[in-house]
Amino acid sequence: SAVISQKPSRDICQRGTSLTIQCQVDSQVTMMFWYRQQPGQSLTLIATANQGSEATYESGFVIDKFPISRPNLTFSTLTVSNMSPEDSSIYLCSVERTGGDEQYFGPGTRLTVT
Amino acid sequence: SQKIEQNSEALNIQEGKTATLTCNYTNYSPAYLQWYRQDPGRGPVFLLLIRENEKEKRKERLKVTFDTTLKQSLFHITASQPADSATYLCALPLRGGSYIPTFGRGTSLIVHP
Repeated sequence: SAVISQKPSRDICQRGTSLTIQCQVDSQVTMMFWYRQQPGQSLTLIATANQGSEATYESGFVIDKFPISRPNLTFSTLTVSNMSPEDSSIYLCSVERTGGDEQYFGPGTRLTVT
Repeated sequence: SQKIEQNSEALNIQEGKTATLTCNYTNYSPAYLQWYRQDPGRGPVFLLLIRENEKEKRKERLKVTFDTTLKQSLFHITASQPADSATYLCALPLRGGSYIPTFGRGTSLIVHP
């Protein structure tokens, strides 16, 4: 299994500001994933982050709003830019087990935008 | 992409009974289906995976069935305990041939002592 940590665990931010969320994994992984879970909703994939290449974004998510960095095989950051109250959500980082048959998730970052 | 339907109403059962949760999906038949458990304030935790050529999978008190004709999976917890109270998420491949999961909204299970 993989142990994933995220920072911060929660934050309250002002409208129009940006927040960078960090994800650290205890082992080297090829792909890291960023999900969003809005209140009462399912987890929605934002993007897939590969080391050494641009992140791949899902429909409805753009790099200008959610820039992602992947500087090495154990770390990634997701920035939520120019925040609005609609960005209030839980943001989760995940990695897949080798073979791809299960995902390991971090504890999530609970973001509230006022 | 897949549409995944899980009962949004919480399931309340008495300790010791069997809990049965349902996951229905549309569109293409997935190569596999996963179930995860999510506790409040935590990320989902993987429980079981069942492949398209498997009818049933068991792990301790958990049992999952997969009916590709009905496009449905059932998730059973036998001899349920209050510690089983959580939200259970069904997940399928985001796209055909992909290992990246897309998730249903989940069903909340509450086991009463």
